[in-house]
Amino acid sequence: TQLLEQSPQFLSIQEGENLTVYCNSSSVFSSLQWYRQEPGEGPVLLVTVVTGGEVKKLKRLTFQFGDARKDSSLHITAAQPGDTGLYLCADRDDKIIFGKGTRLHILP
Amino acid sequence: SAVISQKPSRDICQRGTSLTIQCQVDSQVTMMFWYRQQPGQSLTLIATANQGSEATYESGFVIDKFPISRPNLTFSTLTVSNLSPEDSSIYLCSVGGGYTFGSGTRLTVV
Repeated sequence: TQLLEQSPQFLSIQEGENLTVYCNSSSVFSSLQWYRQEPGEGPVLLVTVVTGGEVKKLKRLTFQFGDARKDSSLHITAAQPGDTGLYLCADRDDKIIFGKGTRLHILP
Repeated sequence: SAVISQKPSRDICQRGTSLTIQCQVDSQVTMMFWYRQQPGQSLTLIATANQGSEATYESGFVIDKFPISRPNLTFSTLTVSNLSPEDSSIYLCSVGGGYTFGSGTRLTVV
């Protein structure tokens, strides 16, 4: 059974700071996805990456997929309070396996 | 992308009763997925619902506890039966292989 480990589990930083969160898999990803979930809402898909070494940018968010396709990072530049939420990585194949998430809180 | 309307958004139920959660999609979809998110935890897949066939349940989830209906290509229900406090969670439906989630149903069992 595939295990997805996310770190850190919790992160609280000041507005304007940069941060990186990580996702590591016990096996090769089929298709890596990152989601953000805000309280009272379902997860919202941020990005899907498939190719090892791939880097994708979404405004202030940079997603990097490891060459071996077993790890990924999400870097946020100049964090804003609106970035607050639960960040989940997931492996999508015929079904989706989620990591436990990083709970991010940006202090104004 | 599809839009999902999930109801109810929250409910408080007595132990021993059941709660039925509905998901309505604005377009026809082949598969719908039901997830559970326990407090402070990530999402765990309960089952996959295909129209016209029995739902496929993940390990640890059984039809008697979580019966699912899928009467057409735009609608599904999940019932959580014989409720106990351990069933207190957020339940979510999803379509499009994870591209779209409902807003969730927060269930509290007292």
